[in-house]
Amino acid sequence: SQQGEEDPQALSIQEGENATMNCSYKTSINNLQWYRQNSGRGLVHLILIRSNEREKHSGRLRVTLDTSKKSSSLLITASRAADTASYFCAPSVAGGFKTIFGAGTRLFVKA
Amino acid sequence: DAGITQSPRHKVTETGTPVTLRCHQTENHRYMYWYRQDPGHGLRLIHYSYGVKDTDKGEVSDGYSVSRSKTEDFLLTLESATSSQTSVYFCAISELGVSGGAENEQFFGPGTRLTVL
Repeated sequence: SQQGEEDPQALSIQEGENATMNCSYKTSINNLQWYRQNSGRGLVHLILIRSNEREKHSGRLRVTLDTSKKSSSLLITASRAADTASYFCAPSVAGGFKTIFGAGTRLFVKA
Repeated sequence: DAGITQSPRHKVTETGTPVTLRCHQTENHRYMYWYRQDPGHGLRLIHYSYGVKDTDKGEVSDGYSVSRSKTEDFLLTLESATSSQTSVYFCAISELGVSGGAENEQFFGPGTRLTVL
């Protein structure tokens, strides 16, 4: 198992702007996942990128993965007030049984 | 919430009393997890299960025990609750990955807010 560390801890932007969050990890991974958590709710899976992929898109989300730097970024384009949430990255090791989540990035999108 | 329920959703108890939280899934997923979430700490893994009767400790397992007697239920027990165990508890499930581990996405329950006075 290993932990992802998100950066920044908090981010405040205006609606319509792009939001970028970063994740770093320490060892080799099989894939890396991003999750969103709205206040008072459980985490919701957003996107999974495998170690042999460099970039992946899903709607307004773009995830990149640089295994040489052991880092990933999540870009939310044209942000909306509804994107206000905490975002967590979760690196997974092949054959591992558990995922350790970091403290997350709190995103606040002002209308 | 992907067929995951947690009960109770809210509980207030007193220090020293036993508490059991239940996680129930209808997805037949192999892996189940208990996390706690506190301000400034994100999600911390308490215990997890990789099959019926197969469980292991996470990062913050002291003061907690778990049991999984059937695929669909994963119980978390606080034998003698303390104020430091006041938290929001989340259950999650995931399916077996292609490499034999649990590297697939996790599905989370709605959470249980526990207050220990």
